[in-house]
Amino acid sequence: GAVVSQHPSWVICKSGTSVKIECRSLDFQATTMFWYRQFPKQSLMLMATSNEGSKATYEQGVEKDKFLINHASLTLSTLTVTSAHPEDSSFYICSARPGIRIEQYFGPGTRLTVT
Amino acid sequence: GQNIDQPTEMTATEGAIVQINCTYQTSGFNGLFWYQQHAGEAPTFLSYNVLDGLEEKGRFSSFLSRSKGYSYLLLKELQMKDSASYLCAVRDGLRYSTLTFGKGTMLLVSP
Repeated sequence: GAVVSQHPSWVICKSGTSVKIECRSLDFQATTMFWYRQFPKQSLMLMATSNEGSKATYEQGVEKDKFLINHASLTLSTLTVTSAHPEDSSFYICSARPGIRIEQYFGPGTRLTVT
Repeated sequence: GQNIDQPTEMTATEGAIVQINCTYQTSGFNGLFWYQQHAGEAPTFLSYNVLDGLEEKGRFSSFLSRSKGYSYLLLKELQMKDSASYLCAVRDGLRYSTLTFGKGTMLLVSP
């Protein structure tokens, strides 16, 4: 149980285009979902926290107009990287927390490369 | 804010025991997690401590001392597949849901 999927697993896009990443909780309802970014040999940096049906809460320094988050249902959250630049190239990981559980369950991650 | 420190790298031999330490300074504390992350993959949950003491789960154990701001992850009977990065993460006392991760400890298990 507690499986989280992400799609796509990797994507290459051109500078200036937008990319959408989906995060789904497959066998539980996630009241809260989280989006992280991880650069090589660095730890996970929380970008934003989203609760179903409400606006996401962004961490300091994360541009909410650039990283659009939509948590449309209890099993789906999307992250759209708008007007992507090469410095946005990173490993993006989502996690989901079942309502009554303490731990977060992570998706397999999406490797974004912006050329 | 949160400040979490872990050693960058550790090496050990197959079959041995290794202890990975984590110290933290936080403005609030509501639990500490350990996650395992293989290269290019997402982290997987290993353990959670909120009270002082030792939590044992198979080959893995985790210890917490809140007064010292200290935790360790103990791995016994090391296997080659245990080669991975081990992430210590602290749950914020005020922002209940959020986790702050340390930079991770890369463990290399050799034959």
